[in-house]
Amino acid sequence: DTGVSQDPRHKITKRGQNVTFRCDPISEHNRLYWYRQTLGQGPEFLTYFQNEAQLEKSRLLSDRFSAERPKGSFSTLEIQRTEQGDSAMYLCASSLARRMNEKLFFGSGTQLSVL
Amino acid sequence: GEDVEQSLFLSVREGDSSVINCTYTDSSSTYLYWYKQEPGAGLQLLTYIFSNMDMKQDQRLTVLLNKKDKHLSLRIADTQTGDSAIYFCAERLNDYKLSFGAGTTVTVRA
Repeated sequence: DTGVSQDPRHKITKRGQNVTFRCDPISEHNRLYWYRQTLGQGPEFLTYFQNEAQLEKSRLLSDRFSAERPKGSFSTLEIQRTEQGDSAMYLCASSLARRMNEKLFFGSGTQLSVL
Repeated sequence: GEDVEQSLFLSVREGDSSVINCTYTDSSSTYLYWYKQEPGAGLQLLTYIFSNMDMKQDQRLTVLLNKKDKHLSLRIADTQTGDSAIYFCAERLNDYKLSFGAGTTVTVRA
């Protein structure tokens, strides 16, 4: 088991461009989360999937953001028409859903810089 | 703003104990967590405590929970240079959501 992997590690883009990030969770995990972390802050919840179903989206996730998990395995997060305020670390996490004490395992993140 | 609050910085001498403090707001939180983040890396789960406990020890780590005051602390015994990192406190708000603090940057000096 190689843990949660994210690609790319770094992305620099110009304002207005579209970007897509990928996350590969731990293989037996049925839940997958996206969090956003800005400098000097803790991670903030964006959205999560249970298998292929997207069950919750934060109000932080504007219409320019879309996430998919088509086969219940890897996930992609797309940001359309990027803005400078989108610059952040985008973290993916996965877990095995439990009634109590679900533990999240995080990837190393994708650092997005919008110029 | 965040519901979980932490002091921003802690400097500690190698070999001493570190104590990182956190306050949270949701009294119904069932589990509270400590995560560690090293530069350029994701978050690593260090330890957690269930809300009906007041202490948990795991090797060099001791977690204390004061549920009445909604105060959580993490003590690292015999702090080493490899313990230099950002430490995040998090509370479980519901079935799917964690709320994180802004993190405490721990610097270990020789």
